[in-house]
Formats: sequence, C-alpha cells, structure tokens
Amino acid sequence: GQQLNQSPQSMFIQEGEDVSMNCTSSSIFNTWLWYKQDPGEGPVLLIALYKAGELTSNGRLTAQFGITRKDSFLNISASIPSDVGIYFCAGQERSSGTYKYIFGTGTRLKVLA
Amino acid sequence: KAGVTQTPRYLIKTRGQQVTLSCSPISGHRSVSWYQQTPGQGLQFLFEYFSETQRNKGNFPGRFSGRQFSNSRSEMNVSTLELGDSALYLCASSLSAREQYFGPGTRLTVT
Repeated sequence: GQQLNQSPQSMFIQEGEDVSMNCTSSSIFNTWLWYKQDPGEGPVLLIALYKAGELTSNGRLTAQFGITRKDSFLNISASIPSDVGIYFCAGQERSSGTYKYIFGTGTRLKVLA
Repeated sequence: KAGVTQTPRYLIKTRGQQVTLSCSPISGHRSVSWYQQTPGQGLQFLFEYFSETQRNKGNFPGRFSGRQFSNSRSEMNVSTLELGDSALYLCASSLSAREQYFGPGTRLTVT
C-alpha cells in the first residue's frame, strides 16, 4: 500500500536535545497531521496543518507545512523521556469530493535519560 | 467528552473463521475510518463511512467489509481469515475533514 517517506526511521537522542523529523510525498496534500503512537495504543493527534508554509506549535512541538505542499516537518524541543514513541505523519488526499489519509512509515524516537 | 472506543481490544481467531470488530466514534462525529496497521505495511486505509454510507475504500480484498449504524457506530468484518490478517485494526472518527482521532485499536491474531 501507499506510504509516505519519513526520516529518520529511528533515532536515539539524549534528554534535553532537540529533535527534527520530516515527511515527504510525491503528491500534493491539503492537510498534514502529525501523530504519536505508544506501544499497544492508537495514534494520538499532536498537530494539524492546513496551509502551505503554516507553522504551528503545541507546547514543545512545532510542525510546518512545506511550501511545495509535498512535505512536512516536526520538531521537538528539549526532549524528555516521555517523548519516546513512534511519530507518524499523515497527508490528506482528496478525490471526487471525498478524502482519505496516507500515512508515513514512522520515526521511532528513543530518548536516553 | 469520551474518545473513540473499540471493542474488543484483543482477539485470537483461527484461519478460515470470520471476525467482527466494533467502533464507537466521539459523540457528534459522523465519519468513521478504519485502518490496518502491521509492522511490514504500516498504517493502511481500509474504508471510511459517513452517515451510514461507505464514502471511500482502500485497496483491500472483498473479505474486508464494514457498515455504519444510524448512531454513527461502525463495525468491520473480516471473513475467511488468513494468517496475514493479523494486525492492529484502528478506527478513527472525524467531525470534519480537518482532523481525525484514533481509538486504542483491536489487536487481532490469526492462528
């Protein structure tokens, strides 16, 4: 099935460090969503982006909707142990008046205390 | 406001059997989408229902079907289970096209 490219695939960082990850697509999207998923749970919505160039923050998280509308970025500042998890991007694809979300491959974040 | 709920949380079935999973969306949300999540394929869209009508469908075989009731609750059915159907099945509800909220998922194991 179709998936968006997310990088990096995984990363180990020290507590307190800043984290950056991105998501790229060959298609143009109208909406980007960023989620975090903990083991055995469903993804939790972190940030939603609706316009090219838009920058939105949610606490220590900041996400940007790429100008080309084919990419998006998520930054986490001053990471803490509870930031551990898998982060997914999702792009909204519209067709014939309906829509669906295409998900990225995920970035697994591990924080070393 | 209560979040998306899914039942059961865990299920073990045998090849060839069928299974029905249930999802209750956030109150007021009329759109319900279903996804399959596996380590190899990631999160894959199954279908979306809005006001009891299937509005969109992913690339899954006809063994995967769903329906939505007038109270927006949705069920997903998989018939003639195969080993490869083992996955986390996630339901997501939406009030509009702008956001989507997931439930905790149902972990299906096919033996």
